[in-house]
Amino acid sequence: RKEVEQDPGPFNVPEGATVAFNCTYSNSASQSFFWYRQDCRKEPKLLMSVYSSGNEDGRFTAQLNRASQYISLLIRDSKLSDSATYLCVPDTNAGKSTFGDGTTLTVKP
Amino acid sequence: DVKVTQSSRYLVKRTGEKVFLECVQDMDHENMFWYRQDPGLGLRLIYFSYDVKMKEKGDIPEGYSVSREKKERFSLILESASTNQTSMYLCASSLREGWASYEQYFGPGTRLTVT
Repeated sequence: RKEVEQDPGPFNVPEGATVAFNCTYSNSASQSFFWYRQDCRKEPKLLMSVYSSGNEDGRFTAQLNRASQYISLLIRDSKLSDSATYLCVPDTNAGKSTFGDGTTLTVKP
Repeated sequence: DVKVTQSSRYLVKRTGEKVFLECVQDMDHENMFWYRQDPGLGLRLIYFSYDVKMKEKGDIPEGYSVSREKKERFSLILESASTNQTSMYLCASSLREGWASYEQYFGPGTRLTVT
């Protein structure tokens, strides 16, 4: 079983839609969780950090379920500019992290 | 603003050549990382360094070595490049405080082609 599993998608949604991605992780010792966004041919950049049960930043909400070992990312009112690959990243050991393979989102007009 | 720079955006090398990829960060971060990213395989950790002269193998260290002589610089070395090392290489850095994990800042990547 992979350490981090994400539905690769692609998710194709219209502008204004709400979309959610799930990510499951196998290391129950993970304490910190991150969602990164990666645009095509660019480097990953941090979207959101999650240290407790969840986090909200504008249209983006991350929720953590430690018992079931999954973390979700909800995007409300999708914009064209949200089109990207979203990487789920639980930390593993003192600064090291395992990146999920990513979920690709395309928002269409 | 954190800056992580990589020595080349694109590199073409021949099989058997020794290849150096350089990465420099300007935020005094303790942790530095080298990843490769391939379609369908995601980001895979090659090596990790948590301090000067300290290194740990990641998930795919075979065929690679690293050097960290100064805190701001982390080099990835391909001793004898092979075609299966054609990939996008990404360097990253992050703060280190005890066992906590922090955001990783990435460089723009080096697309290496080995012919």
